[in-house]
Amino acid sequence: DVKVTQSSRYLVKRTGEKVFLECVQDMDHENMFWYRQDPGLGLRLIYFSYDVKMKEKGDIPEGYSVSREKKERFSLILESASTNQTSMYLCASRVQGYEQYFGPGTRLTVT
Amino acid sequence: EDKVVQSPLSLVVHEGDTVTLNCSYEVTNFRSLLWYKQEKKAPTFLFMLTSSGIEKKSGRLSSILDKKELFSILNITATQTGDSAIYLCAVEGRDFNKFYFGSGTKLNVKP
Repeated sequence: DVKVTQSSRYLVKRTGEKVFLECVQDMDHENMFWYRQDPGLGLRLIYFSYDVKMKEKGDIPEGYSVSREKKERFSLILESASTNQTSMYLCASRVQGYEQYFGPGTRLTVT
Repeated sequence: EDKVVQSPLSLVVHEGDTVTLNCSYEVTNFRSLLWYKQEKKAPTFLFMLTSSGIEKKSGRLSSILDKKELFSILNITATQTGDSAIYLCAVEGRDFNKFYFGSGTKLNVKP
């Protein structure tokens, strides 16, 4: 069974803090993704990575950065959190040509 | 601009009813369309469709794709309360790994 885990289910941070969201997958997938999910907007792609140290911007990369130092781990970084980054963050992984497997999500609140 | 539109946005039915969820898309160089079910946590994969007219079936759920008219439907027969969830449609287009998600259909099945 593919397993994608995320470091926190719930997180509360203050405006201006640096925030790290971690994602780990255990199935040797080359592709990993970060999405945010907001009511009425569906899932929007922030960044994805197709290999270690490789990354591509998604549709809404502003205010975010990512890091992939090991194949199984993909981190999302909010350099200076803002209230409009309050959201549900979902990580996913996949083998090219197949479905994505999602983690349980991190609900981030920025106050 | 690439986009995926799902309808209806929400739906309330009673156990035993049959429902049809719709997903239309305008995505350049279509590769695949995927359906996911999201309860309170991670979206879970239902179907991947790449060819027109071929029905995919799993128990009471089935789905079909029309690449000429650019839409897909997800049917659920004999609904149960456990089918209550948000159903997401996603399309992969020209760029590998760039999935466009619809905003989802929220299904509520009442006993």
